[in-house]
Amino acid sequence: AQSVTQPDIHITVSEGASLELRCNYSYGATPYLFWYVQSPGQGLQLLLKYFSGDTLVQGIKGFEAEFKRSQSSFNLRKPSVHWSDAAEYFCAVGTRLNAGNNRKLIWGLGTSLAVNP
Amino acid sequence: GAVVSQHPSRVICKSGTSVKIECRSLDFQATTMFWYRQFPKQSLMLMATSNEGSKATYEQGVEKDKFLINHASLTLSTLTVTSAHPEDSSFYICSATQRQVVASNEQFFGPGTRLTVL
Repeated sequence: AQSVTQPDIHITVSEGASLELRCNYSYGATPYLFWYVQSPGQGLQLLLKYFSGDTLVQGIKGFEAEFKRSQSSFNLRKPSVHWSDAAEYFCAVGTRLNAGNNRKLIWGLGTSLAVNP
Repeated sequence: GAVVSQHPSRVICKSGTSVKIECRSLDFQATTMFWYRQFPKQSLMLMATSNEGSKATYEQGVEKDKFLINHASLTLSTLTVTSAHPEDSSFYICSATQRQVVASNEQFFGPGTRLTVL
């Protein structure tokens, strides 16, 4: 079955510290992988995505993620967290195109990030 | 670019009434629009997928007569919650894919609509 697991429901880090948010997926084919961030009152914003090629993907706001096929993981990292990074982070897997030429997203439950000053 | 808006951002209604939520792609033509529901502290649940000019495809367990979706143009989709009840209270989010970017099918999200049914 297709699924996405984000093992950490809530993480608290100090400002300036490094961050790693975990994401594991279960999918029978080459996955299309996404990380989104959701801030209060704002829409989901795409941080980065992996479709193919280099397994280390650079995103916006200083985030990066590494696709590890052997571990079925796509962990999100940031070397130095800013207070404005406090938000909800979602990992998602994009399915194959269906008959309607659409690709659905399978979502993890999210990780809530708090940043201490 | 690729901005999606939703209106209203927040709505409170009485039980038994119907509520319409609009989703617009402001600066692109949307091949497909998706409607999600999000419960507090939970992930997004896909409700339905709609292609312009076609009937929406509903996910298993979502009542199509309860949640009416219309995608009449390439920039507008509406979700109508009919005869709303308190259990329909939730955060509804739409997303859209760009007509020109089919391969990646990246979804662009609206800010969401908070529905509270009294």
